[in-house]
Amino acid sequence: KNEVEQSPQNLTAQEGEFITINCSYSVGISALHWLQQHPGGGIVSLFMLSSGKKKHGRLIATINIQEKHSSLHITASHPRDSAVYICAVYNQGGKLIFGQGTELSVKP
Amino acid sequence: EPEVTQTPSHQVTQMGQEVILRCVPISNHLYFYWYRQILGQKVEFLVSFYNNEISEKSEIFDDQFSVERPDGSNFTLKIRSTKLEDSAMYFCASSLQGANTEAFFGQGTRLTVV
Repeated sequence: KNEVEQSPQNLTAQEGEFITINCSYSVGISALHWLQQHPGGGIVSLFMLSSGKKKHGRLIATINIQEKHSSLHITASHPRDSAVYICAVYNQGGKLIFGQGTELSVKP
Repeated sequence: EPEVTQTPSHQVTQMGQEVILRCVPISNHLYFYWYRQILGQKVEFLVSFYNNEISEKSEIFDDQFSVERPDGSNFTLKIRSTKLEDSAMYFCASSLQGANTEAFFGQGTRLTVV
């Protein structure tokens, strides 16, 4: 069983739709990252959070530490949001343990 | 905005050859990491480095791998004798204080071993 599980693995949406990607983890952590990976391969950090909720533009991330669950929401999705979204959790030593990613495709 | 830079972006090497992947972390960061992603798989941890020594390494990081911070700005990953299965995207990352601080990633080096 993966220590970090994301769902869904693949997601196709129409432009404008509200999107939710979920992340559940079994490892004990201090914080969690949501990352974005485009087809070229580079990884960009979207959020790091250890409690509550963060918002940046059309992106919202929430975390429930007690339930070991986090969600990434995209409002008013756009084709340029198409990418792989990755949840990664910190262990106490500072290394990140990655989920398998959610491949999002937003159609115009 | 400060960023992590990696060179080269692509490297093709013959099996058995040594390769050195280079990274320049963000200048005031203290924690450095190498991760790799085999095509179609998830990103996996290789090694973390703090205070001029390895703080944690995965079972992937065997004697063929080594890391170094030779001059206070570069952070390198060396693979001594490459194997076909070393073909992957290698990402360098840095953070200010390790856990609980945001990690910043380089654009990656795509290593192809032939």
